[in-house]
Amino acid sequence: DAGVIQSPRHEVTEMGQEVTLRCKPISGHNSLFWYRQTMMRGLELLIYFNNNVPIDDSGMPEDRFSAKMPNASFSTLKIQPSEPRDSAVYFCASTPQEGETQYFGPGTRLLVL
Amino acid sequence: AQSVTQLDSHVSVSEGTPVLLRCNYSSSYSPSLFWYVQHPNKGLQLLLKYTSAATLVKGINGFEAEFKKSETSFHLTKPSAHMSDAAEYFCVVRRDSNYQLIWGAGTKLIIKP
Repeated sequence: DAGVIQSPRHEVTEMGQEVTLRCKPISGHNSLFWYRQTMMRGLELLIYFNNNVPIDDSGMPEDRFSAKMPNASFSTLKIQPSEPRDSAVYFCASTPQEGETQYFGPGTRLLVL
Repeated sequence: AQSVTQLDSHVSVSEGTPVLLRCNYSSSYSPSLFWYVQHPNKGLQLLLKYTSAATLVKGINGFEAEFKKSETSFHLTKPSAHMSDAAEYFCVVRRDSNYQLIWGAGTKLIIKP
């Protein structure tokens, strides 16, 4: 079983550049989550999809952040333009159905200079 | 409203001695509770979960947790610590109904040789 796959694992970019993070959920899982983890704020939910539809994006920091899920096996989180305060670890997680246990990917460590 | 408190930010034990990581929660009804572990620079792995079945829950790597409603606690234990247990541990409560997880601040477990 492949687990949740995220790419890239590490990203270093300069302020103002566009960053795209990718996630492939576990096959058959209907729900997908994007989280951000920082030392200061811990783990924060950014957005939640159910059956490819965004259900809750209240955690998305601002308009610079956008997320899509064009099909059941792929999602992207885009930051444009990126800022140094976006530096964090971004996790993707999926569950078989809403309300069930969330399984996390290995994360993408983003550094914006 | 649900909340979760991890009582210790750091716990240090010697290899081979018992581990106790404390977690208290508040919830107006029977919650779903989880422990996740995060090894340095790694993703979040589910250790165990409680979903109103047996109050003593066994997880991976020899960990277990006991749900005590009267004490609103869900402490994580292991009889004998191993060096590979050094990691950060998160106690998590799920909001009823749905997908939102409320994360504790984390406890760093340090294992002394």
